[in-house]
Amino acid sequence: EIVLTQSPGTLSLSPGERATLSCRASQTFSSNFLAWYQQKPGQSPRLLIYGASRRATGVPDRFRGSGSGTDFTLTISRIEPEDFAVYYCQQYGRSPYTFGQGTKLEIK
Amino acid sequence: EVQVVQSGAEVKKPGATVKISCKVSGYTFADYYMHWMQQAPGEGPQWMGLIDPEDGETIFAEKFQGRVTMTADRSSDTLYLELNTLRSEDTAIYYCATSVVGAPHYFHYWGQGTLVTVST
Repeated sequence: EIVLTQSPGTLSLSPGERATLSCRASQTFSSNFLAWYQQKPGQSPRLLIYGASRRATGVPDRFRGSGSGTDFTLTISRIEPEDFAVYYCQQYGRSPYTFGQGTKLEIK
Repeated sequence: EVQVVQSGAEVKKPGATVKISCKVSGYTFADYYMHWMQQAPGEGPQWMGLIDPEDGETIFAEKFQGRVTMTADRSSDTLYLELNTLRSEDTAIYYCATSVVGAPHYFHYWGQGTLVTVST
């Protein structure tokens, strides 16, 4: 199965700063079939990005997904207070569909 | 408005079976696959498998093959996950989540999650 490794494990930043989250896959998969989710404590994951770079409906444009092959990035241009959460990447190019272990974005 | 509502928390003993429900509304039942995920404390979600509500066809992750059953009841727009031979490592939150039939499997709509605790 494809293993997704996210880095860093924890990212400590202040509101207004830029966040860069990384997701690296153990092998390539179909057509950049990579998604990003945001999960807050006690909540379900929320779809942010699919197709590596397409924002889901209602997602603010400060969230940007990029990358291809085995290296993908989620960038939050200017962090808002509501953005502090855990972020997961997920590949859906090859079954079993796998998630990374998450990056926690915390307030510095 | 799409709604995905799961059944409540469960406490089970090792070796038992748990059955969780996921009731959907706000869309045509057969238009979305339903996937199930297991999320252990402090970990990322793990995909367990999917069901096509149109015909009941299922695909399971190898890790859960043989222990999991997924079913769909079109009369009540409800889907079910059954996991047997429970062990302590199955203590987790279980989520159902949709993907569009005929489209790649990223997950639009999620249930609120069902906590399953396996303990003596």
